Amino acid sequence: EADIYQTPRYLVIGTGKKITLECSQTMGHDKMYWYQQDPGMELHLIHYSYGVNSTEKGDLSSESTVSRIRTEHFPLTLESARPSHTSQYLCASSLYGGNQPQHFGDGTRLSIL
Amino acid sequence: SQQGEEDPQALSIQEGENATMNCSYKTSINNLQWYRQNSGRGLVHLILIRSNEREKHSGRLRVTLDTSKKSSSLLITASRAADTASYFCATADNFNKFYFGSGTKLNVKP
Repeated sequence: EADIYQTPRYLVIGTGKKITLECSQTMGHDKMYWYQQDPGMELHLIHYSYGVNSTEKGDLSSESTVSRIRTEHFPLTLESARPSHTSQYLCASSLYGGNQPQHFGDGTRLSIL
Repeated sequence: SQQGEEDPQALSIQEGENATMNCSYKTSINNLQWYRQNSGRGLVHLILIRSNEREKHSGRLRVTLDTSKKSSSLLITASRAADTASYFCATADNFNKFYFGSGTKLNVKP
């Protein structure tokens, strides 16, 4: 439906590993977002970007980091995964921000053992 | 949080019935958006209503907005089993950050 892709879809990995969650969109959108969502719960914004070389932290404190070197690519990295990072991570993009719909990927369900 | 509550948290109806869910928010808005999320998937945009609009229709969806009460409602008419999903409302602030409600889980029984 939407041209925004997240990989992997599922990841089960041990504590202490470095993880990168990939997010790519082919729509040329400047605005991109990362949300964290526990099953059945609301979405919490953890990072967002207005464009290349722009990244900001969201309202929910997160130990993850993001980068935006290319318009289409907005990866999220956890340097040392912990069980508390277990959650679903959703990536989204939008053309003009708040006055336009957001397009979502299908998410990465992350489980840290 | 900029976003308020959605109500009800869960709703179970028979196929063919109408489903109504409500959303409240806390600050002034330019627009309010509704999204659907099927289990294990990302969110899909359904409809956007601007602050100067009171009602908007899209197929079987009807959205109302009351800015004086800071609330919105989503009505799904003649529901189908395929409408089973979680429904979220969202608003955005002046910095293009989106805030989502806690969602309503709709179950449509065949």
